[in-house]
Amino acid sequence: DAKTTQPNSMESNEEEPVHLPCNHSTISGTDYIHWYRQLPSQGPEYVIHGLTSNVNNRMASLAIAEDRKSSTLILHRATLRDAAVYYCAALDSNSGYALNFGKGTSLLVTP
Amino acid sequence: EAQVTQNPRYLITVTGKKLTVTCSQNMNHEYMSWYRQDPGLGLRQIYYSMNVEVTDKGDVPEGYKVSRKEKRNFPLILESPSPNQTSLYFCASSPYRGGYGYTFGSGTRLTVV
Repeated sequence: DAKTTQPNSMESNEEEPVHLPCNHSTISGTDYIHWYRQLPSQGPEYVIHGLTSNVNNRMASLAIAEDRKSSTLILHRATLRDAAVYYCAALDSNSGYALNFGKGTSLLVTP
Repeated sequence: EAQVTQNPRYLITVTGKKLTVTCSQNMNHEYMSWYRQDPGLGLRQIYYSMNVEVTDKGDVPEGYKVSRKEKRNFPLILESPSPNQTSLYFCASSPYRGGYGYTFGSGTRLTVV
């Protein structure tokens, strides 16, 4: 199983960009990289995913390293509502398409 | 509204008393799965289903059963719950396995005493 590692916590100022890193050095060539966020007492919420190319959507951008051993979730302008635990996950196509979640990064956004 | 609905949200039960946690999605998704979330261990997959009548074990299937008789429903069955199954459970669905985001339910907090 591909393992993902993330920093335990990060802090950002409101309206500043946030770069959340994730290492996944054992990921296989066909495993997608997913990002989710979770608020207290809620289920994980899908943010973005990608395979090789950088991806953008209305919530965030995902930058994937050329060797696919790491990726970065980019929140372009953090708001107080972006404070959450952010999980990086490798989608294991060889094991039931399970999301192998990291321990998550707790993002604190200060006004 | 597109969503995954789990019931109940909270459940306290006694050891050995069979229970079912229901999961239903209204998005016509083929793929569904169950996860449990525990402090220090994170989110781990219990069972998954590629489509109707197609289910298989995930990483931590011991003590659980599932069924997929209809596309929209994927119940999680604990035949004889034990205290080590006290956890936060999430159901998730995806249009198809692979390159799509997963939609998670709001969770079921189960306590087995």
